[in-house]
Order: sequence, then C-alpha cells, then structure tokens
Amino acid sequence: SAVISQKPSRDICQRGTSLTIQCQVDSQVTMMFWYRQQPGQSLTLIATANQGSEATYESGFVIDKFPISRPNLTFSTLTVSNMSPEDSSIYLCSVGNTWGGGEEKLFFGSGTQLSVL
Amino acid sequence: AQTVTQSQPEMSVQEAETVTLSCTYDTSENNYYLFWYKQPPSRQMILVIRQEAYKQQNATENRFSVNFQKAAKSFSLKISDSQLGDTAMYFCAFMKHGVGAGSRLTFGEGTQLTVNP
Repeated sequence: SAVISQKPSRDICQRGTSLTIQCQVDSQVTMMFWYRQQPGQSLTLIATANQGSEATYESGFVIDKFPISRPNLTFSTLTVSNMSPEDSSIYLCSVGNTWGGGEEKLFFGSGTQLSVL
Repeated sequence: AQTVTQSQPEMSVQEAETVTLSCTYDTSENNYYLFWYKQPPSRQMILVIRQEAYKQQNATENRFSVNFQKAAKSFSLKISDSQLGDTAMYFCAFMKHGVGAGSRLTFGEGTQLTVNP
C-alpha cells in the first residue's frame, strides 16, 4: 500500500479566494486522481493528474477553476480558484499503482474539508 | 459509461450480528474490478475488499466477504460479527481493468451503516 499525506486537512476560506491542496505519496505511483465529495454525496472524479503534462478533466470540471500540477511521480496539487460557497466540499487525493503480485489498487488520502464563506 | 447503484441509503445492525450491503452496476466491459470502501467520520476512505471480475471465487478479508454475481451485475458486501468500529458510510465502486490505462473509480451513492451496541 501507500502512505498518502494530504494538506491542509481542513480550511475555511473567503469567497473569491483560492486554496491549493497538496498530495504527497511515500512512493512513486502510476496514477494520481482528485475527487470531490459534496456534503452528503458520493465521490465525483474531478481529474486525473498526469506527470509532466496537463491534467485530464472530467465533464463539468475545467482547468481554470481547478488547476492541477503533478511535477513528479509522488506529488500533486489541486487548486480551487475563485471560490464560492458551492465549492464547500471534501476534496480527496487518490493514487493508483500495481502493488506487487500484479494487483492494482487505488488508495486515498485523508481528504481536505473546505468551507467557503 | 459505467453506473453503480446502492439502493440502501441507511442500514443498522446489532453488534456481533451479520449484515449485507447491496450494490449493482452496469457496464459493457468484460474485465474490471469492484471495490468496497469504508468512510468513517474521519473522512478517510479505507479499502475494505476488492474483486477481479475474471475471478469466479468471491473475495474475503477476515470478517468481510462479497457475493459477486457477474451475470446479474451484483456485488454485495457481507460483514460478519459486526463491530462498533464498522459504523461508517460504505461505498461500492467500479474500475475498468488497468490502472495504467487511465482507469479510475465510479462510485455508488453510499450506504450509511450503524452498528448498535
């Protein structure tokens, strides 16, 4: 498995500002993803963070609102830009790899609880 | 596109008893993975159990087991000897075969399980 450190764990932000969330993994991983979990809802994929190239965004999510970086195989950031109260959610980093024995699994960071006033 | 459906928003069980959570999915893929994740109030998404679609044998992990019916596209989770620490939201998830191919998780709506003393 992997140890995933996600920072900050929670934040309260003002409308119109931006927040950058960091995801650090203790080993190199093939895939890194960012999910959003709105209050009382399931998880929705925002984008796949690609190392060395632009992220791949899902329908309904755009780079200007959620810029993503992935400078190497162990680190990624998600920025929530020009925030509004509708952006209040839990944001989760997920990593995927082949963890020995040919098994492919996805693991999650502990999430960032974002509240926008 | 894949869809995952969990028809039980809430369930409860007495400590030490057995409970089964339901999940159905729809896909045109033949090779894929199915997962159950647990999310306690701490927000951490914890992998409970994983099943490869090409394996007929049902996966088991200690007190957790699945009933995988590929033809029926059903993937239920059985928790035996329920413990208070099992209280959490449980998500069923689907992933196409091959993390390296850019696959990611599609989640169901979740089932809130409460274990009563």
